[in-house]
Amino acid sequence: DSGVTQTPKHLITATGQRVTLRCSPRSGDLSVYWYQQSLDQGLQFLIQYYNGEERAKGNILERFSAQQFPDLHSELNLSSLELGDSALYFCASSVTGASAGELFFGEGSRLTVL
Amino acid sequence: DAKTTQPTSMDCAEGRAANLPCNHSTISGNEYVYWYRQIHSQGPQYIIHGLKNNETNEMASLIITEDRKSSTLILPHATLRDTAVYYCIVRQNDYKLSFGAGTTVTVRA
Repeated sequence: DSGVTQTPKHLITATGQRVTLRCSPRSGDLSVYWYQQSLDQGLQFLIQYYNGEERAKGNILERFSAQQFPDLHSELNLSSLELGDSALYFCASSVTGASAGELFFGEGSRLTVL
Repeated sequence: DAKTTQPTSMDCAEGRAANLPCNHSTISGNEYVYWYRQIHSQGPQYIIHGLKNNETNEMASLIITEDRKSSTLILPHATLRDTAVYYCIVRQNDYKLSFGAGTTVTVRA
């Protein structure tokens, strides 16, 4: 158990819909990262927050947005969903955002868009 | 970030050491070498990381060549539970890990 909690574990929805994925980082970790893993793309970095502020952005679509709240949990919002958005979405956390060290990953949220 | 090159797949026998190579010939002086693994759609799991010196922990050993252009992850006594995709990642002192395709390691009884 990494200490990172993601909900929901599974989600099935239809094209055009909007969903919210939630992540609770490990206690004490200030940084949260979101990754997307689809069958044909591997693990893709989406976005990172550090103590409530956006720190780095990767291949995140404009239809997707994220935020980190004062209690440090984070939400990833996916809107106008398309079939290609079906994937595993992982959240990771770390103590800091800018130093050597490990990222702790949650077990992921599996999104299926029908 | 410097790119890495890993074999697509490899097999090893249970109880034997598994040596996983990684090339990172464009690595720069401030970039760390990280290893993670992912067991069948679970969240990636940190294994070990290093900068210049060899490192060892309870899971594995990391051997980095003197010129830092390649490294080897050693799983000293592979078990069936070590079957996973292993990712070698070179990371600057910044914010994200960039995962490649990794090496699919299959441990056989």
